[in-house]
Amino acid sequence: SQQGEEDPQALSIQEGENATMNCSYKTSINNLQWYRQNSGRGLVHLILIRSNEREKHSGRLRVTLDTSKKSSSLLITASRAADTASYFCATGRGSTLGRLYFGRGTQLTVWP
Amino acid sequence: KAGVTQTPRYLIKTRGQQVTLSCSPISGHRSVSWYQQTPGQGLQFLFEYFSETQRNKGNFPGRFSGRQFSNSRSEMNVSTLELGDSALYLCASQQLGTVQETQYFGPGTRLLVL
Repeated sequence: SQQGEEDPQALSIQEGENATMNCSYKTSINNLQWYRQNSGRGLVHLILIRSNEREKHSGRLRVTLDTSKKSSSLLITASRAADTASYFCATGRGSTLGRLYFGRGTQLTVWP
Repeated sequence: KAGVTQTPRYLIKTRGQQVTLSCSPISGHRSVSWYQQTPGQGLQFLFEYFSETQRNKGNFPGRFSGRQFSNSRSEMNVSTLELGDSALYLCASQQLGTVQETQYFGPGTRLLVL
């Protein structure tokens, strides 16, 4: 079963614009991770934020986590055409070692 | 370090056949997890192995099985293939499989069942 839900399902922007994707989940988590997937290939890890953290940065990526609202957001600043991909959030729970619960993903298209 | 590798990358089988997929984790990683990705169901967890033991299992029929070897390499097997088994199969590795670790994914094996 899916744990998270990303919003929007699809996002289309111009190069240089910022892209914001949201993720909501239903149960308590230990951490939340964001992954990128290019056209049916493997998942590339972007960033992990722990449940006691509120914000994390990595290059052009900014992730926030609000455990009271059970939601997270991924912001990509100054988007590039190469950022075109599907983005997934995944949550980890203490009771299920080695297992991530994925959302359906947001398909981001960045037009040159 | 080399990343997670999966073989083969592409596979075509017919209904009723069986298939074995292989995954080599990052050196030093002892936990290997398997996922199935389809357009309809998204990413679904199959099972996780740590030190040759299955620690966790998703909600898949018994036709899906796996194992892990002493060098942490893992295989998954699907017997009596059905059309609905067509999917991208992804494996991921972690050092210990704890919730505080990142899962690193391989490129996947795309299976087509005809």
